[in-house]
Amino acid sequence: GAGVSQTPSNKVTEKGKYVELRCDPISGHTALYWYRQSLGQGPEFLIYFQGTGAADDSGLPNDRFFAVRPEGSVSTLKIQRTERGDSAVYLCASSRGTSGAGDTQYFGPGTRLTVL
Amino acid sequence: AQSVTQLGSHVSVSEGALVLLRCNYSSSVPPYLFWYVQYPNQGLQLLLKYTTGATLVKGINGFEAEFKKSETSFHLTKPSAHMSDAAEYFCAVSDRGGATNKLIFGTGTLLAVQP
Repeated sequence: GAGVSQTPSNKVTEKGKYVELRCDPISGHTALYWYRQSLGQGPEFLIYFQGTGAADDSGLPNDRFFAVRPEGSVSTLKIQRTERGDSAVYLCASSRGTSGAGDTQYFGPGTRLTVL
Repeated sequence: AQSVTQLGSHVSVSEGALVLLRCNYSSSVPPYLFWYVQYPNQGLQLLLKYTTGATLVKGINGFEAEFKKSETSFHLTKPSAHMSDAAEYFCAVSDRGGATNKLIFGTGTLLAVQP
């Protein structure tokens, strides 16, 4: 079956520009997560959605980062006024959301963002 | 705050040799524990997880891990390495009592398998 998909796979932008990264979760998964993976590091949590609402956005680094999930399916991560330090692979994951903690998260292939 | 430590950013083994990747967590309450594998240009794939019950967990591709509360460890093992096991491996935890399911990852261990 279809897994988590993310578009684009690569995004190159200039410092100061606005970018949007898209995530299509597995059909029927109510929970959706965004993580950021910098070179040589493990993924770091950014934000968690349960349905349409952001249940935990404690990992967003600052107010330039924002994410939405208006219909409880597709999610968009938005970054304003990009900085070179935002360069990383942005990972999306989804889970059934039915068993709480311990629920298996399924990851997409990621979007590699490069800010010049 | 929870943290995960993976000892050894790079591990190299010979084909057919034992694979041992180390993971220790820091948490006052034992968390849920996960091992993920990341092949080049692919997404993270779950190898195995421990939530409750038997402390020795078997996963895909012949991997297993044992939760040891006294040692706060969840080391990953495989008796005999294959060339196809070459990848990066991440240990992760999530808060057993938390309202969210967010994962906290270690920094990863890159496994190389020599012929």
